[in-house]
Amino acid sequence: NAGVTQTPKFQVLKTGQSMTLQCAQDMNHEYMSWYRQDPGMGLRLIHYSVGAGITDQGEVPNGYNVSRSTTEDFPLRLLSAAPSQTSVYFCASSYSKTGGVDTEAFFGQGTRLTVV
Amino acid sequence: GENVEQHPSTLSVQEGDSAVIKCTYSDSASNYFPWYKQELGKRPQLIIDIRSNVGEKKDQRIAVTLNKTAKHFSLHITETQPEDSAVYFCAASQTGANNLFFGTGTRLTVIP
Repeated sequence: NAGVTQTPKFQVLKTGQSMTLQCAQDMNHEYMSWYRQDPGMGLRLIHYSVGAGITDQGEVPNGYNVSRSTTEDFPLRLLSAAPSQTSVYFCASSYSKTGGVDTEAFFGQGTRLTVV
Repeated sequence: GENVEQHPSTLSVQEGDSAVIKCTYSDSASNYFPWYKQELGKRPQLIIDIRSNVGEKKDQRIAVTLNKTAKHFSLHITETQPEDSAVYFCAASQTGANNLFFGTGTRLTVIP
């Protein structure tokens, strides 16, 4: 049981390049989310998904795309990287049971992205 | 949307003393309030959480209190140890453990 796995751990991009950050979970969680963490600003929600085929925007969605074709995977795409997207990105998953009590959010180990 | 404020931003305590971190939130619909500990270069890890139907929750040296009327909640760490040194984040959500709104973090340093 690996939990939430993110790849890559580190990445350097040039301005204008595109790339995909991968996130996979093996806990059969319904909910998956992407956050970015910048110094002094805590974590901010980029996009989230409540289940396969369903995604929605969070606080800071501009410049990012997501899709959820399977329960396990939730990739984050940077369409045209900008220096402002330099950050540490965390994927998280949690179980949402209708009418029940949610479990905690489990975070991946993070991806440190630098855009030059 | 929800706005979570966290204070202080840095906190230094002597080993064995208590540490208190406070957070306020703006959305009265929020009903889930977790606290995360993040060590340098690591992922955030849940240390304790509380839901809006509970006023206080304790787990060994860690406790969280919630005042829904005033819209604030606090983390209390007693008998601090050097390994408690880390950045602590509070968060709030109205959809359980999903879609968390985080505070800006408190860097706790425990001095041996």
